Amino acid sequence: DAGVIQSPRHEVTEMGQEVTLRCKPISGHDYLFWYRQTMMRGLELLIYFNNNVPIDDSGMPEDRFSAKMPNASFSTLKIQPSEPRDSAVYFCASSFRTAYGYTFGSGTRLTVV
Amino acid sequence: DQQVKQNSPSLSVQEGRISILNCDYTNSMFDYFLWYKKYPAEGPTFLISISSIKDKNEDGRFTVFLNKSAKHLSLHIVPSQPGDSAVYFCAASVMNSGYSTLTFGKGTMLLVSP
Repeated sequence: DAGVIQSPRHEVTEMGQEVTLRCKPISGHDYLFWYRQTMMRGLELLIYFNNNVPIDDSGMPEDRFSAKMPNASFSTLKIQPSEPRDSAVYFCASSFRTAYGYTFGSGTRLTVV
Repeated sequence: DQQVKQNSPSLSVQEGRISILNCDYTNSMFDYFLWYKKYPAEGPTFLISISSIKDKNEDGRFTVFLNKSAKHLSLHIVPSQPGDSAVYFCAASVMNSGYSTLTFGKGTMLLVSP
């Protein structure tokens, strides 16, 4: 199994631009999570899906952030417009039923200048 | 408001000695606790966990201790090895309500020197 695959690994964009982060979860996993890592806040949950349905998006910081999961093998996290304070490492994780079965991707390092 | 707190941003230990990483939590509903390890440019990986019905869980060189009355847990690594140098995240969950997400601390960077 290739694990959770995220793309791109690095993204540098200018303030105001749209950014799309992509995630392919492990096949068979029914939960998908988007986390953001910053020095100030550590790992914080943005949103999670169960069977492609968004369950809790209370961690999404603003309306500028949106996430979709059109099918079981693909999810996107979009920031529009992006701001310098969005600079962080964004992780996608998936699991099968259990909270302790999380498998994380390698993350996308986003820099907004 | 951080429900899971790791108050030491970093820890330096010599090879062969014990590393002790600490974690405090505020939510008394948490009943399952985990430690994740993260190397640079990689995602966090699961290391060890403990249920609230236990006060200790051991796996090789890694032992997690849970003190429910103090809302405190710790990860002991004995003996520490240079390959243990990484960021360690403490995480907590409310498992008895069915599925629950993980709440993470900010992490502690461990450096084990030869």
